[in-house]
Amino acid sequence: NAGVTQTPKFRILKIGQSMTLQCTQDMNHNYMYWYRQDPGMGLKLIYYSVGAGITDKGEVPNGYNVSRSTTEDFPLRLELAAPSQTSVYFCASSTPDGRGANVLTFGAGSRLTVL
Amino acid sequence: QKEVEQNSGPLSVPEGAIASLNCTYSDRVSQSFFWYRQYSGKSPELIMSIYSNGDKEDGRFTAQLNKASQYVSLLIRDSQPSDSATYLCAVTRAGGTSYGKLTFGQGTILTVHP
Repeated sequence: NAGVTQTPKFRILKIGQSMTLQCTQDMNHNYMYWYRQDPGMGLKLIYYSVGAGITDKGEVPNGYNVSRSTTEDFPLRLELAAPSQTSVYFCASSTPDGRGANVLTFGAGSRLTVL
Repeated sequence: QKEVEQNSGPLSVPEGAIASLNCTYSDRVSQSFFWYRQYSGKSPELIMSIYSNGDKEDGRFTAQLNKASQYVSLLIRDSQPSDSATYLCAVTRAGGTSYGKLTFGQGTILTVHP
């Protein structure tokens, strides 16, 4: 069982370039999320999805776009990369734990540097 | 005021001691509380969840929640060098519209020295 798989693990971009971070989960979770983590900081929510075809903004959505065409996949698109987007990106998925709360499973992360 | 605030540390304790990690939150409708452990260069992993006031114990870990004071803590007994990591406090609202979205604190770095 692979869980949540992210690619690539590392990437260096030049300012103004675009790229897509891929995220796939094999647990049939409806909810998926993209977080970013800057050095020495907690995680901040970029976008989330509650099911195929349904996405919404989180706390820090500017400069990013997402899509959810299938339950399994939730790619994050960076348009016109800026140095401020240098960060570690985590994809996660979740399912309710029977207590009304959702338990998140995180991918291994994608480290992005914009120069 | 930050939504979720933790002592940034670093917190250093000797092996075998009790490590105490603290977290406060500002949103009174927060209902679910989580502690994640994150080793350097790795993704967060869930170690404790707590939903009701009081204590919840799991092995060497005890989570404590006080909703009136908007305070949640994590105690690690008999600390081991392998406990050295960043500990992230996270909260979420209850109900269907929360969709499991977590708000994280900035994390507390814990170092357990032999």
